[in-house]
Amino acid sequence: DAKTTQPNSMESNEEEPVHLPCNHSTISGTDYIHWYRQLPSQGPEYVIHGLTSNVNNRMASLAIAEDRKSSTLILHRATLRDAAVYYCILRATLRGGGSNYKLTFGKGTLLTVNP
Amino acid sequence: DGGITQSPKYLFRKEGQNVTLSCEQNLNHDAMYWYRQDPGQGLRLIYYSQIVNDFQKGDIAEGYSVSREKKESFPLTVTSAQKNPTAFYLCASSGRGDYSEKLFFGSGTQLSVL
Repeated sequence: DAKTTQPNSMESNEEEPVHLPCNHSTISGTDYIHWYRQLPSQGPEYVIHGLTSNVNNRMASLAIAEDRKSSTLILHRATLRDAAVYYCILRATLRGGGSNYKLTFGKGTLLTVNP
Repeated sequence: DGGITQSPKYLFRKEGQNVTLSCEQNLNHDAMYWYRQDPGQGLRLIYYSQIVNDFQKGDIAEGYSVSREKKESFPLTVTSAQKNPTAFYLCASSGRGDYSEKLFFGSGTQLSVL
């Protein structure tokens, strides 16, 4: 399975943009890039996903490199409620179609937001 | 509201005892998952099920068992063979067949050994 690499931790100030990087150099052509975040003592929640093009939603933006070997989650204005662990994972396609259900989460990036 | 419900929120196990963690979803999802999380660590996959009456081992299935008799339910039993069961357990679900589909997680069960 393709792996992802993220920094262990990052720090930001409130109301400033945050760029969270993820490397996935062994990504396959049909792997989707998903981002989740986990607040303390809670289950992870979905943030955003994409395949090739950059994506925007109400929570964040996802910038995908042209070669797809890396991606960046962008929080446009960090708030204290954005302090969480952010996970970048790849959702693979099985041969013959269908989704790979064996999803692997690494340690993610712990984002600290300073007031 | 649709979602995933895990119970109990906190659970204590005595030595040699089996305990069962409940996971129920009303999202009409085919796929369900169990993950284990240790302090400061990522999530590790225990078992997953793509459809009713079918499930597969994940990366750390030893000492655990599951069943999938109903679409809505995917209980996890932590058996006495699991020697280090203290962890935060997370259940998730997703639709089937579309690799863009996102996972929905429950709020977790913290299991501790007495």
